[in-house]
Amino acid sequence: GEDVEQSLFLSVREGDSSVINCTYTDSSSTYLYWYKQEPGAGLQLLTYIFSNMDMKQDQRLTVLLNKKDKHLSLRIADTQTGDSAIYFCAESMESNTGKLIFGQGTTLQVKP
Amino acid sequence: DTGVSQDPRHKITKRGQNVTFRCDPISEHNRLYWYRQTLGQGPEFLTYFQNEAQLEKSRLLSDRFSAERPKGSFSTLEIQRTEQGDSAMYLCASSLVRDSPKLFFGSGTQLSVL
Repeated sequence: GEDVEQSLFLSVREGDSSVINCTYTDSSSTYLYWYKQEPGAGLQLLTYIFSNMDMKQDQRLTVLLNKKDKHLSLRIADTQTGDSAIYFCAESMESNTGKLIFGQGTTLQVKP
Repeated sequence: DTGVSQDPRHKITKRGQNVTFRCDPISEHNRLYWYRQTLGQGPEFLTYFQNEAQLEKSRLLSDRFSAERPKGSFSTLEIQRTEQGDSAMYLCASSLVRDSPKLFFGSGTQLSVL
């Protein structure tokens, strides 16, 4: 069945780049997403990428998609303490329905 | 755009009681979703509506769960005869059909069943 996996924890120093990785199993995924969740809050959509794209850049965020290896990554440049949060990777189960499968989340700790 | 609003933020109940949560989606968003998130896990899909029609329900949604969206605007999620295993964060999200990749989530309702 469908599954999304992420490493659980990443610690970086302020100003460094962070790279959060994700693997997924459903080769028919149409969209892949990155969401951010701060303590006690809902999920904030950071960015998403269509499955026929290799890369998407949005300010400090760069998403790389390797469809052959079913690997997705999120790079955050110049990481700030305000970036500390849990980051979820998700894939769409079916085109155009909004049914998403989420990974367990990666906790990003940014040290000053 | 006031965002997706959920009420209440927290609910504590005793096992066996019924609870109801409310979600107000972003205005004009015709799709509305319910997800459930347990501690240390990512959200899991429960059900979704397009306007007032409930188009799909996950196997996770037992017979004790019922969701409605009577006028195609706000939605309610009711859990009958709550069990301790129902303790979780219940998240609502909304989107536009024509822009369906973009799901916007509310802050959730944290349910604790004692």
